[in-house]
Amino acid sequence: EVQLVQSGAEVRKPGESLTISCKTSGYDFTSNWITWVRQMPGKGLEWMGRIDPNDSNNNYSPSFQGHVIISADKSTNTVYLHWASLKASDTAIYFCARRARRIGAFDYWGQGTLVSVSS
Amino acid sequence: DIVMTQSPDSLTVSLGERATINCKSSQSVLYSSNNKNYLAWYQQKPGQPPKLLIHWASTRESGVPDRFSGSGSGTDFTLTISSLQAEDVAVYFCQQYYGTPPTFGPGTKIDVK
Repeated sequence: EVQLVQSGAEVRKPGESLTISCKTSGYDFTSNWITWVRQMPGKGLEWMGRIDPNDSNNNYSPSFQGHVIISADKSTNTVYLHWASLKASDTAIYFCARRARRIGAFDYWGQGTLVSVSS
Repeated sequence: DIVMTQSPDSLTVSLGERATINCKSSQSVLYSSNNKNYLAWYQQKPGQPPKLLIHWASTRESGVPDRFSGSGSGTDFTLTISSLQAEDVAVYFCQQYYGTPPTFGPGTKIDVK
């Protein structure tokens, strides 16, 4: 069974760093890109970027380029999303999702991680 | 970026009645080499992640009830729920995965009357 299990909710202050995780199982980790999607409170879905776990090649949305880093660890089948310096506007739920290689849409999703940034 | 729009913003439908959501892309998402529309529909219930319902504009995912159907091509698409059930109350998003970045519509909230 394919599963994406994300790390728990986090509370941080502006300027602090944070890394959240997405642990995958039930399929060949290197065969599918993993994406991160942001959902701000009560809002829609925004694609942040993706990683190819096979070679860690990244692609970011211009809206998030330079503000987040996506990485992958093949030894633990885990993908990470990292901020070096959080802003209050980063408060949101973050989802990881698997891009289905054959169809291109996002077929499996993590449960979401709530990140709250407030002074 | 390809901009996705949806209408209506919200919809209230009686149980057993038909619900129709429209989605429009700012440019065609039809890939001419394979004649496939790179358009998906997702359902998101409160407190849950989105769930993929339909890909290639009209192909239902395994396990999705056949009351859900997708249609359209090029820039104009429709999601239809033929007979609304209580468990269909959710927000529905369309998404194009033709271009990078993939982009989502703003969502349509469906409630029961």
